[in-house]
Amino acid sequence: GDSVTQMEGPVTLSEEAFLTINCTYTATGYPSLFWYVQYPGEGLQLLLKATKADDKGSNKGFEATYRKETTSFHLEKGSVQVSDSAVYFCGRNSGGSNYKLTFGKGTLLTVNP
Amino acid sequence: NAGVTQTPKFQVLKTGQSMTLQCAQDMNHEYMSWYRQDPGMGLRLIHYSVGAGITDQGEVPNGYNVSRSTTEDFPLRLLSAAPSQTSVYFCASSYSTGELFFGEGSRLTVL
Repeated sequence: GDSVTQMEGPVTLSEEAFLTINCTYTATGYPSLFWYVQYPGEGLQLLLKATKADDKGSNKGFEATYRKETTSFHLEKGSVQVSDSAVYFCGRNSGGSNYKLTFGKGTLLTVNP
Repeated sequence: NAGVTQTPKFQVLKTGQSMTLQCAQDMNHEYMSWYRQDPGMGLRLIHYSVGAGITDQGEVPNGYNVSRSTTEDFPLRLLSAAPSQTSVYFCASSYSTGELFFGEGSRLTVL
C-alpha cells in the first residue's frame, strides 16, 4: 500500500546548523508529496509540496526535491533558527486521490540557541 | 477567518461513555477528514468525506462513526469509548488540491 517512511529523530541542532530530515515513499502511482509542520500545541500546516518528479518545493528557507529514482523527498534547510523547533511530517497522497494523505511518523526538531 | 474549528479541545471520558467531537470549516471545502495522532505512530486517517452525504473509512475506522449532512460540519462520534481511543484528534479540510487545513486538535483521554 501507500506509505511514507521518515527519519524518526528526535533531532537536536544548534542555531544556524544545517538540517536534513530524510523521507522516502512507496513508489505506487504518481503521488504528490508534502511536508507539514506542527508547532507546539497547534495543528499541522503545510510547509511545502511537490507534485511531480524533479519538482522542488520551497518555503521559509526549507526545500525538498521530488526524486523519483530514489523515491525520496528529503527536507533541508541551510541555517535553522530556534523558531523552527517543531514536529515535521512527510506525506503523500494515497488511493489515487489528491486529498487523502498518508503521513510518516513525524520528526521532532529542537533547535538550541 | 476561522478556518477549521474543533470542539472540545480537551475531554476526559470513562470507558463505555459516548461523545461527539465537533468539526466545522468555513472555507467551503469539499473534502473533510479525521486523523488521530499517537506517539510513535504519526497521524492515521480515521474517516473522510468527499462531500455532503458521502463518507468513507480510512486506515483506523473501528469504534468511530461519522456523518456529513452539510458541507461545513463533519462530527466524529465515539459510541462506546475505550482506553485505546486515548489520543489527539485532528480534523482537516481541503479542496481537491492536496493542501489540508487542520484544526488545532482535540485531546481525548479515556479512563
